[in-house]
Amino acid sequence: AQSVTQPDIHITVSEGASLELRCNYSYGATPYLFWYVQSPGQGLQLLLKYFSGDTLVQGIKGFEAEFKRSQSSFNLRKPSVHWSDAAEYFCAVGARNTDKLIFGTGTRLQVFP
Amino acid sequence: GAVVSQHPSWVICKSGTSVKIECRSLDFQATTMFWYRQFPKQSLMLMATSNEGSKATYEQGVEKDKFLINHASLTLSTLTVTSAHPEDSSFYICSARDVLAGVKETQYFGPGTRLLVL
Repeated sequence: AQSVTQPDIHITVSEGASLELRCNYSYGATPYLFWYVQSPGQGLQLLLKYFSGDTLVQGIKGFEAEFKRSQSSFNLRKPSVHWSDAAEYFCAVGARNTDKLIFGTGTRLQVFP
Repeated sequence: GAVVSQHPSWVICKSGTSVKIECRSLDFQATTMFWYRQFPKQSLMLMATSNEGSKATYEQGVEKDKFLINHASLTLSTLTVTSAHPEDSSFYICSARDVLAGVKETQYFGPGTRLLVL
């Protein structure tokens, strides 16, 4: 069965510091992979997605993620965090033969000035 | 960009009453909409897949008679929580897939509806 693990429940960084949010998945084949961000009172916004091809994916707001098949990981990175990046981040995996998405438990990012 | 709205954004109701939540795609057509439930500090759990003009497909463990889903048009899906009880209190989120998009190309999420059952 598909599953997604986000090991870090809460991460705190200083503004301007680099960021890496971890995501590991379990799936029998190459899945579709997504990162979403959820701000209070707002819907989930898609940051980036991986379907195939280049394993380093660029997204919006300066985020990128790298698909590593050998590690079953899809970690999200940003070189310099801004205070406005404080939010909840969800990694999700989708099967190639359905529309369903399986979400991780989320990582709450707090940014200190 | 594509926008999905939900109404109401929050609702408080008495135990035993029914609550209807609307999910609308504002600037695109959605043959498929999804309903999720999110508990505090937990992930989104898919409840059901709503297909326009046909019956919804429910995930295992979700009571179809309790969570009624209607997808009457390409821009509107509704979730009715019937005979709500305190354990139904949660954050309900819908998403919509653009009818012109490929599989998983675009799934847009609404802002969510917080339900509190007293």
